[in-house]
Amino acid sequence: AQSVTQLDSQVPVFEEAPVELRCNYSSSVSVYLFWYVQYPNQGLQLLLKYLSGSTLVKGINGFEAEFNKSQTSFHLRKPSVHISDTAEYFCAVIHAGGTSYGKLTFGQGTILTVHP
Amino acid sequence: DGGITQSPKYLFRKEGQNVTLSCEQNLNHDAMYWYRQDPGQGLRLIYYSQIVNDFQKGDIAEGYSVSREKKESFPLTVTSAQKNPTAFYLCASSSRDTNSYNEQFFGPGTRLTVL
Repeated sequence: AQSVTQLDSQVPVFEEAPVELRCNYSSSVSVYLFWYVQYPNQGLQLLLKYLSGSTLVKGINGFEAEFNKSQTSFHLRKPSVHISDTAEYFCAVIHAGGTSYGKLTFGQGTILTVHP
Repeated sequence: DGGITQSPKYLFRKEGQNVTLSCEQNLNHDAMYWYRQDPGQGLRLIYYSQIVNDFQKGDIAEGYSVSREKKESFPLTVTSAQKNPTAFYLCASSSRDTNSYNEQFFGPGTRLTVL
């Protein structure tokens, strides 16, 4: 079984400042990793994913994340945030193959609030 | 436009009543999923279906039921046995290529409030 921990429930930041949203996972098998964004009262949109290859992955809206296998982390970063980045962000993992087909495991979510 | 629709967006029900949430997709996806979202708890899987006429329980299936009679539709019934049904419910779908990961696409959600 997998588990995901998002270390900060809320992250306030000023516009144009950098931000990092932290995600750690636990799994006894190889996993794929994801970051999703959710705007108020809407569904989830995929920001980026790590399946294999380069550990630094770039996503939409200027976000990037780095997979660190030794530290079992997948932190999300943006060098300069905008007011429109205010949303809730979810880290998720899925077993890379095997019988856990389709079963995403989500973290608790981090609410990013960007202040002017 | 291809996508996933959920209806209604807001739903109010009295305690003890069953209620059915609709989820329809026109993405030609084989797999469909239902998640429940509560503040501070992320999303938890209720049921999922990989193919028509087949579905499996997720992590929190108690008090819920589903059917998958058509590829496009995966309705969720919240029964009176669900002790705390007030939540935001999200439906998702994905293709079913067994050789690669298949991204899940999410609907806009239904907010259920039980009074």
